[in-house]
Amino acid sequence: QVQLQESGPGLVKPSETLSLTCTVSGGSIGNFYCSWIRQPPGQGLEWIGYGHYRGSTNYNPSLKSRVIISVDTSKNHCSLKLKSLTAADTAVYYCARDMITYGGSLNGLDVWGQGTTVTVSS
Amino acid sequence: DIQMTQSPSSLSASVGDRVTITCRASQSISNYLIWYQQKPGKAPKLLIYAASTLQSGVPSRISGSGSGTDFTLTISSLQPEDFATYYCQQSYITPFSFGPGTTVDIK
Repeated sequence: QVQLQESGPGLVKPSETLSLTCTVSGGSIGNFYCSWIRQPPGQGLEWIGYGHYRGSTNYNPSLKSRVIISVDTSKNHCSLKLKSLTAADTAVYYCARDMITYGGSLNGLDVWGQGTTVTVSS
Repeated sequence: DIQMTQSPSSLSASVGDRVTITCRASQSISNYLIWYQQKPGKAPKLLIYAASTLQSGVPSRISGSGSGTDFTLTISSLQPEDFATYYCQQSYITPFSFGPGTTVDIK
């Protein structure tokens, strides 16, 4: 079955750019939308956005000016870039599988990675 | 943006209890409502999609209902593995917002 695994630096300095990768195994990233969700320590979940191999992307307006999600079918992974980091970006970052139809997601995020912890600190 | 609220924010219950969690959307989302369960240090797990459809492998003591703006998650007989935090999410219009969560702990 499809499995997702996030990877990236655990510590990033303020004002720098975070780069995370979500590697897919057991299936093709071309078959779904790659979504990113984050969770600050002790807090709830925040939807960051999604990307598709055909180029479709959709971002949370609260992050839209700072975030890029891309999909690389040759490497079977998707990536998240978040620039101009501050301490408020400290969180566990998850990637998850989604299926978008007519703009909505009736089936939800059915496969999740284990999450990767990112701390923004000098 | 669509705002999601949940009540209660936390509850204490015993094994065997019937538990109901409510989720409300700030505007109609049809049946585009998802429920997740999250345990400490773990990724969320999909329980219910399309407001009332049980994800494969999820026990039948868990059920969901509702449409429009008001939804409920019910656990008919709470089991030890059900103590966790539960989140609803609207997946109708982006940004796909989550509720603040409901923590179910042991009485």
